[in-house]
Amino acid sequence: KNEVEQSPQNLTAQEGEFITINCSYSVGISALHWLQQHPGGGIVSLFMLSSGKKKHGRLIATINIQEKHSSLHITASHPRDSAVYICAVSYNQGGKLIFGQGTELSVKP
Amino acid sequence: GAGVSQSPRYKVAKRGQDVALRCDPISGHVSLFWYQQALGQGPEFLTYFQNEAQLDKSGLPSDRFFAERPEGSVSTLKIQRTQQEDSAVYLCASSLEETYYEQYFGPGTRLTVT
Repeated sequence: KNEVEQSPQNLTAQEGEFITINCSYSVGISALHWLQQHPGGGIVSLFMLSSGKKKHGRLIATINIQEKHSSLHITASHPRDSAVYICAVSYNQGGKLIFGQGTELSVKP
Repeated sequence: GAGVSQSPRYKVAKRGQDVALRCDPISGHVSLFWYQQALGQGPEFLTYFQNEAQLDKSGLPSDRFFAERPEGSVSTLKIQRTQQEDSAVYLCASSLEETYYEQYFGPGTRLTVT
C-alpha cells in the first residue's frame, strides 16, 4: 500500500462543476502539499497545510489530521484547470516529499 | 527573480552512456531535492542537500546514481552506464530552510535511454 493514496486517478468534468480530489496518508505528517502539473510542464505548489483549511481563488484545501485525509476542491471549474493534481506529504521540517500517484483532471467546455 | 532551472531539458542517451543533469536552484535556497518521475507516475524522492551536505540519499536506486552540490548552489545528478529503466523525468526542487517548507520545482529533464 502506498503511503499516499489519491482518488480518483482520472476525473472528467464539465465546465462550471464543483470538483473534489481526495488524498489519504498512512502515518503522521509534518505537512501536506497539493501541487499542480500541466502536461510537459513543471510542478507548481498550490497549498501547503498542516491543519484546517486554506483558500486561494477558486481552490480550497482541507485537512483532517485525525482521519489522515485531505481534500482539494475546485469551484466553478474551467478548462484551464485541466492538469494533474498531486498530493504529497512531508515528515519533517524542510524534508523530502512523498507523492501520491496524481489525479488527472480534464474539464470540458 | 529567476526560478529553478534545469539543463538539458531533454536528453537522449544510448544504453551504457553516462549522463549529467544540472540544476540551478533559486538563489539563497538552502535545501535542494532531486526527484524521479516515471511516465504516468508521481515523482519519487532521490536525494536531498542542505547547502553542500548530502543529508539523505536513500532514494538513489543504485550506485550508478551520484549527486553533488559542491558549493551549496548548483547541483549535478550523474547517472553512469544508463539503463532503459532510467528513462524518466528528473525533477529538481529547492526551498528555503527552517521556516519555509514550500518546494519550488524546476521544469525537469526528460531522459530517454535507447
